[in-house]
Amino acid sequence: GAGVSQSPSNKVTEKGKDVELRCDPISGHTALYWYRQSLGQGLEFLIYFQGNSAPDKSGLPSDRFSAERTGGSVSTLTIQRTQQEDSAVYLCASSSIRSDNEQFFGPGTRLTVL
Amino acid sequence: AQKITQTQPGMFVQEKEAVTLDCTYDTSDPSYGLFWYKQPSSGEMIFLIYQGSYDQQNATEGRYSLNFQKARKSANLVISASQLGDSAMYFCAMREDFGNEKLTFGTGTRLTIIP
Repeated sequence: GAGVSQSPSNKVTEKGKDVELRCDPISGHTALYWYRQSLGQGLEFLIYFQGNSAPDKSGLPSDRFSAERTGGSVSTLTIQRTQQEDSAVYLCASSSIRSDNEQFFGPGTRLTVL
Repeated sequence: AQKITQTQPGMFVQEKEAVTLDCTYDTSDPSYGLFWYKQPSSGEMIFLIYQGSYDQQNATEGRYSLNFQKARKSANLVISASQLGDSAMYFCAMREDFGNEKLTFGTGTRLTIIP
C-alpha cells in the first residue's frame, strides 16, 4: 500500500493480558517510530527504529513495553500484563533517511484495557 | 520545562478569515526542525509544513505559512482564507539533533471554523 498501515484498528483487552500491535511502514522507509496519544493529549514518543536497530527507546514507559522490527520493515509493539492506564491510541510513523523529511503516520490502533 | 508550548486549547474562527495558531519551543540545540500536523476527527495525523532552524525564509505550503521567529523561539502557523474542512486539532512538534529523530509534540489547539 501507499501509506503506513497498522493493525488492529481497535483492540479491547482485559487487564493483565498481553497485546501485540503491528505497523507496516511505507516501503523503503528506513526509520520507524511508535507514539502514544492518550485521550485529548498530544503525542508521546515511545521508540525509534533505524533499520532493525532501536537507537532510542527512551519513551517506553515501563519494562512491560517492548518493540521489535524485522527485515527493516514490519514492527510489532508488545505490551505485557496490560493496565488500564495503557489505554490510548498507539500511532506508528515512518520516514526516509533525509533529516528534514516528515514522518508519515498510520491510522493508529485504539487500545482499550478494561 | 515544556519543550513545545501551545497556549490556545481551542479557537473559533469565521470561515474565510485568517487564523494564527501559536507555538513556542525550548531548545539549546542549534540545529532543529519544527513541524505542524493536523489531526481531523478521524484521527489521522496529516503533515502540513516544516521549518528548519537554519532556513532563512519562512516556510509556506499553499494556504499554510509558518511565522518563524528564531530569537523569540516561536513558530506560529498561519492559515489563510480558512475553510470548514480546516476544523481539526493542530499540533506543533520539534525534532532536535541529527540522529535523535523523535518528535516532541505540544498539547495541540482545537480549531473550529464557523460558517
